[in-house]
Amino acid sequence: GEDVEQSLFLSVREGDSSVINCTYTDSSSTYLYWYKQEPGAGLQLLTYIFSNMDMKQDQRLTVLLNKKDKHLSLRIADTQTGDSAIYFCADLLGSARQLTFGSGTQLTVLP
Amino acid sequence: DVKVTQSSRYLVKRTGEKVFLECVQDMDHENMFWYRQDPGLGLRLIYFSYDVKMKEKGDIPEGYSVSREKKERFSLILESASTNQTSMYLCASSQGQGIHEQYFGPGTRLTVT
Repeated sequence: GEDVEQSLFLSVREGDSSVINCTYTDSSSTYLYWYKQEPGAGLQLLTYIFSNMDMKQDQRLTVLLNKKDKHLSLRIADTQTGDSAIYFCADLLGSARQLTFGSGTQLTVLP
Repeated sequence: DVKVTQSSRYLVKRTGEKVFLECVQDMDHENMFWYRQDPGLGLRLIYFSYDVKMKEKGDIPEGYSVSREKKERFSLILESASTNQTSMYLCASSQGQGIHEQYFGPGTRLTVT
């Protein structure tokens, strides 16, 4: 089955950029997502990208997709302490209803 | 404002007990999902449902069952709880096939002793 992988931890200084990486294995992914989970809460959708796009920008967030390498990244510009959370990458295969999630990356923003 | 609610935030049960976790959504969504979240393993899909009385196994259905008698409600059942089912359980819902966003509840932290 589909496998989505992320590194588990990332630390950055406040004001720096954060880059969270994700790889997936199934080339039939149609949409790829980034979800954010704050402590004690469920997941919230941050942004998504369609598989025929290379890049999507939304305020401080930039998503890059390299379909050839099956690599997705999320860049957060000017990272703030409020960005400390777990970030999950997920993908949707074809016209399925269910997503496959990665393990999540714990982002810690240091003052 | 969209809402997915789960019956309990924290639950402590004994080994062998039958456990019910309930999830309710108020968005008239077709799809509902149960995940478990464990450190380093991310979210793993247990079961999902795309219609009343319909269910599909996810990646880790063993030891769990589900029930969807009404569109807005999706229950996860642990027939005989075991310590390896200690985890965070997250419910989500979404509309239709394809791109639609999944909305998550706040989670239930289940401890089986």
